[in-house]
Amino acid sequence: GAVVSQHPSWVICKSGTSVKIECRSLDFQATTMFWYRQFPKQSLMLMATSNEGSKATYEQGVEKDKFLINHASLTLSTLTVTSAHPEDSSFYICSARNPPGTQYFGPGTRLTVL
Amino acid sequence: GNSVTQMEGPVTLSEEAFLTINCTYTATGYPSLFWYVQYPGEGLQLLLKATKADDKGSNKGFEATYRKETTSFHLEKGSVQVSDSAVYFCALSLSTGGGNKLTFGTGTQLKVEL
Repeated sequence: GAVVSQHPSWVICKSGTSVKIECRSLDFQATTMFWYRQFPKQSLMLMATSNEGSKATYEQGVEKDKFLINHASLTLSTLTVTSAHPEDSSFYICSARNPPGTQYFGPGTRLTVL
Repeated sequence: GNSVTQMEGPVTLSEEAFLTINCTYTATGYPSLFWYVQYPGEGLQLLLKATKADDKGSNKGFEATYRKETTSFHLEKGSVQVSDSAVYFCALSLSTGGGNKLTFGTGTQLKVEL
């Protein structure tokens, strides 16, 4: 079946630094990928929709300058958390949409900002 | 706006017990409804879906019926196994394949014991 990977699976960084998270569709091409954020015991909240070769579409309330998304190829999207702060600590999950239109999810990345 | 409400967990059951996880929704328009499952250390996987009223989605012994009159999509299984231990998410989308924006519930953790 369709597989989506994320790297790293967990990361710890210092406040003020930037962190890049990669999302890859391993066996299909994805023109659209999604980035979600999940707080403990809360639902997944869509942050942005990433379209290959164009700018990402951000959900209301998500700072586009803080959460930079790049979708440079049909199998890779990256999320960069810039100038990270402790409140950015969370579980970040990506998904990729295959040509028939089904979303496949990555395993998530745990970010801890000290 | 759209929202999904599901019962809080964790739900702890003995093997072969009957499972019900409640899910209700509010939506503008006519949504498709989904159940996703997340096993430890893995990404969310689509478990089943229903795209119109009275449709029943089923997979791996799980089933859920789209009830428009009660705006519900409760997940059921007649006899759970230890291997069913996971977190279950109810979700809706205004696209039938779930390929566009998904709105998730908070997730319900299921623990099945011998």
